[in-house]
Amino acid sequence: DADVTQTPRNRITKTGKRIMLECSQTKGHDRMYWYRQDPGLGLRLIYYSFDVKDINKGEISDGYSVSRQAQAKFSLSLESAIPNQTALYFCATGDPNQETQYFGPGTRLLVL
Amino acid sequence: AQSVTQLGSHVSVSEGALVLLRCNYSSSVPPYLFWYVQYPNQGLQLLLKYTSAATLVKGINGFEAEFKKSETSFHLTKPSAHMSDAAEYFCAVSDRGTSYDKVIFGPGTSLSVIP
Repeated sequence: DADVTQTPRNRITKTGKRIMLECSQTKGHDRMYWYRQDPGLGLRLIYYSFDVKDINKGEISDGYSVSRQAQAKFSLSLESAIPNQTALYFCATGDPNQETQYFGPGTRLLVL
Repeated sequence: AQSVTQLGSHVSVSEGALVLLRCNYSSSVPPYLFWYVQYPNQGLQLLLKYTSAATLVKGINGFEAEFKKSETSFHLTKPSAHMSDAAEYFCAVSDRGTSYDKVIFGPGTSLSVIP
């Protein structure tokens, strides 16, 4: 089984709808991240969390919110989706001892 | 502020030829540097990392990278390309010694391998 899972893998929604992307991990890491990937822009950090009570904004947090329900779960919400939020979204966990991040398979989101 | 540039958004090489993917960084302190690979329809996985030990770092699948402080570079190389190396490659940097690990990714280089 994968260490970092994301659901759904693909989602089509309409402008103005609320949508939640979910991430679960079995690596036991405290640190979790949400990124979005756009062609030619690499990955940009949306939110990150270093434990259940510690949530921080990344460089592009506007229009997004997160919830860290447990050490293993970190959800990303789009309160009112807009077309320019169409992107590939990745969840990741971080191991500070190994200075490494572990990524989920991604969620491809299309906002019409 | 940290930043990462990758010269060439797309690189094509013949099978068996040298692979060279370029990465330059800017950082106010000696950084940690990473190369991640993304195969089609998959998440990113770590290829190799530099965290202050040897400047020549060896990674998985025959890749290696050399940290050159004077050139602020961390180029990725592989002596002989294989078809399975076709993927997107991301260089990334994080500040050493900070209390949290925020990693900045470059825009990526798509590698094509021609038979």
